[in-house]
Amino acid sequence: AQSVTQPDIHITVSEGASLELRCNYSYGATPYLFWYVQSPGQGLQLLLKYFSGDTLVQGIKGFEAEFKRSQSSFNLRKPSVHWSDAAEYFCAVVAGISRRALTFGSGTRLQVQP
Amino acid sequence: DGGITQSPKYLFRKEGQNVTLSCEQNLNHDAMYWYRQDPGQGLRLIYYSQIVNDFQKGDIAEGYSVSREKKESFPLTVTSAQKNPTAFYLCASSDTAATNEKLFFGSGTQLSVL
Repeated sequence: AQSVTQPDIHITVSEGASLELRCNYSYGATPYLFWYVQSPGQGLQLLLKYFSGDTLVQGIKGFEAEFKRSQSSFNLRKPSVHWSDAAEYFCAVVAGISRRALTFGSGTRLQVQP
Repeated sequence: DGGITQSPKYLFRKEGQNVTLSCEQNLNHDAMYWYRQDPGQGLRLIYYSQIVNDFQKGDIAEGYSVSREKKESFPLTVTSAQKNPTAFYLCASSDTAATNEKLFFGSGTQLSVL
């Protein structure tokens, strides 16, 4: 069965510093991978997705992620964090064509210090 | 504006009571989903529906029921059989059920037990 692991529950960075959020997946076939962001008490917004092709994908709000098959990883990065980036971030993988629904990681809460 | 509307934003359930969470979308999406979010556990799939009059159980369907009589509506009933219903419930929809290219989320309903 597919699964997604986000090993960091909580990360604190200073404004202007770089950011990397880790995501590892377990899935037998070529995965479809996603990163979503959630502000408190709100729904989720898609940041970026990987289906195939270029392993470095660009998303909204200056985020990017790199798919590394050899490491089963899809880490999210941003070169310079803004205070408005404080939120919870979820990595997700599509749970297979037969079910066609996403499996989410447990999330990483990002705190940004001034 | 197109989107997903969840209501109510806050809901309280008495012991032994069934409650229904509303989810309506005007995006003309075929697929709709219900997720449950608990702190530190990410999102878990309750039920999903790929077409009208059809739905499938997700990972944690016990104690819940759904219907999909109309394309734009996918209500979730939390029954008295669900012994731990306190959680944040998110409804989502997608345009293509084949790959879930993008999930659109509602703003959620917080359910609490009195």
